[in-house]
Amino acid sequence: KAGVTQTPRYLIKTRGQQVTLSCSPISGHRSVSWYQQTPGQGLQFLFEYFSETQRNKGNFPGRFSGRQFSNSRSEMNVSTLELGDSALYLCASSSLGGMGGYNEQFFGPGTRLTVL
Amino acid sequence: AQSVTQLDSQVPVFEEAPVELRCNYSSSVSVYLFWYVQYPNQGLQLLLKYLSGSTLVKGINGFEAEFNKSQTSFHLRKPSVHISDTAEYFCAVSPRGNDMRFGAGTRLTVKP
Repeated sequence: KAGVTQTPRYLIKTRGQQVTLSCSPISGHRSVSWYQQTPGQGLQFLFEYFSETQRNKGNFPGRFSGRQFSNSRSEMNVSTLELGDSALYLCASSSLGGMGGYNEQFFGPGTRLTVL
Repeated sequence: AQSVTQLDSQVPVFEEAPVELRCNYSSSVSVYLFWYVQYPNQGLQLLLKYLSGSTLVKGINGFEAEFNKSQTSFHLRKPSVHISDTAEYFCAVSPRGNDMRFGAGTRLTVKP
């Protein structure tokens, strides 16, 4: 089975622009979570989608949004980019998203976003 | 709300020595506990997890961790480290396993 894939792997944008990152979960997985990793703030939970619905959300401003498609692929969007949005964005998928008990979350390699 | 404190930001150790990476957590609800490893330019890999039951949990690559409810700790140990264990290690908690709250990370450096 292929693992979690994220595209693109690297991205450079300028302040004020918007960006869309993509995550393809492991086949059959219905839950996708997004995380931001920065040297200053560490790893922070952004949001989780399950069956096209946002089920949980971290403490990020409204500039950060996401969605999930019927094939479970997910995208996250950041509008009006700021320098502080430079980070590694990690996506993780699990089969049932914790319904009925624990399902292991598998992480992708991440998208490294640089905002200039 | 949940939070995780990793007590050491950096741990240098010589090859074949034992190591302990410390993690304390706080939560108002029952949570699962995890340790992940991250190698440079890679995503996170699950080392081990505590869901319930035995408080001593064994994971991959010879790592183990002990859940201590009274001290709200989940320290990671390995009796003998290798150069290849050099990486960043993250402790995490989650009520369901899909919305992790991570610690700041501990950089383990194994020296020859």
